[in-house]
Amino acid sequence: EIVLTQSPGTLSLSPGERATLSCRASRSVSSTYLAWYQQKPGQAPRLLIYGASGRATGIPDRFSGSGSGTDFTLTISRLQPEDFALYYCQQYGSSQYTFGQGTKLEIK
Amino acid sequence: EVQLVQSGAEVKKAGESLKISCKGSGYSFTSYWIGWVRQMPGKGLEWMAIIYPDDSDTRYSPSFQGQVTISADKSTSTAYLQWSSLKASDTAVYFCTRRSSGYYVFDYWGQGALVTVTS
Repeated sequence: EIVLTQSPGTLSLSPGERATLSCRASRSVSSTYLAWYQQKPGQAPRLLIYGASGRATGIPDRFSGSGSGTDFTLTISRLQPEDFALYYCQQYGSSQYTFGQGTKLEIK
Repeated sequence: EVQLVQSGAEVKKAGESLKISCKGSGYSFTSYWIGWVRQMPGKGLEWMAIIYPDDSDTRYSPSFQGQVTISADKSTSTAYLQWSSLKASDTAVYFCTRRSSGYYVFDYWGQGALVTVTS
């Protein structure tokens, strides 16, 4: 089973700043099958990024994804108040799906 | 509009059985895999199982194999997750989610169903 490790666990930033969230896999992941989700309290997760770098429908262009192999990154270029939330990466491989443990993005 | 509408919150006793549901609409239900994801209180997301409603092909996470059963009814566009004997540790929010074609990501989600199991 591929384990996804997200860092940092908590990221404290101010609106307008740039956020960089990391997702590291225990072994190589196909970029096609790497996604990022946002979850706000009391809500279902929302798909942000698919295929490591593709933005899902309706996702603002301040969200971008990059990476390959075992290292992937979600970048939020200019944080808006509504971006403070939990973020999860997720991968698919060998008929199994795994999520990272999450990064909490909080207001500084 | 694609929608996944889940059944409501449940409070059960340990040892009881339970079946929760997820009704899809706004798309071809039989053409997309439907998965279930657990979120324990204050914790992260855990993939449990997934089913292809057209032929009921299923996959389970090793962590949940034998603990739950996933099923689907094409005639009502509804997927199910069931337990035969609940444990207190099954207390969680359970989300159903549609897997997109091509990228194997979860593009639509139900609203979640809180299951509380008392001992």
